Amino acid sequence: AQKVTQAQTEISVVEKEDVTLDCVYETRDTTYYLFWYKQPPSGELVFLIRRNSFDEQNEISGRYSWNFQKSTSSFNFTITASQVVDSAVYFCALSAGNTGKLIFGQGTTLQVKP
Amino acid sequence: EAEVAQSPRYKITEKSQAVAFWCDPISGHATLYWYRQILGQGPELLVQFQDESVVDDSQLPKDRFSAERLKGVDSTLKIQPAELGDSAMYLCASSLDRSNQPQHFGDGTRLSIL
Repeated sequence: AQKVTQAQTEISVVEKEDVTLDCVYETRDTTYYLFWYKQPPSGELVFLIRRNSFDEQNEISGRYSWNFQKSTSSFNFTITASQVVDSAVYFCALSAGNTGKLIFGQGTTLQVKP
Repeated sequence: EAEVAQSPRYKITEKSQAVAFWCDPISGHATLYWYRQILGQGPELLVQFQDESVVDDSQLPKDRFSAERLKGVDSTLKIQPAELGDSAMYLCASSLDRSNQPQHFGDGTRLSIL
């Protein structure tokens, strides 16, 4: 069975703080992909990143960084120097096999206060 | 505004009525997905199309839900008759193909059943 767990339901930080969103996944497939999406109040899910199971290199994109660790089945997302515009619901998702089907976690609501 | 077009943005209807949602994916995207997102949860796949063919409808309640993508471009999702438990956000997404390419989402249709 495939599963994604985002244990943090809500996180509240003050602007400029760093924040890490946790994601733990389960799959028996050796080839899989992990994704992060952002969902602002408008409702559209915005794609942030995709990693495949063979690439454990961490990635940085501006204030965003991702830490992929196969040993702990985790794919955590860090926002450095958070801003009010980062307030949204963030989803981690898994796709295994060659179906393209996404299995989403429950989401983490991030509130960044000014 | 999302590149994947969905309409309507909001729909309020009474139980037992019929309701339909429309989605126009990004041009050239062969794979189209319909997801249902209950408030406070992650999206769950209802149906997946590859061109005009259904490749996964295992989670679609087929006694009341139907979906089609007749010409392999835009798609319609229908519910008849609607039930109170169908109140949710219905999201459409598209991707180039099924090879775990990033999915691009529309703004969704928020359905409320009275």
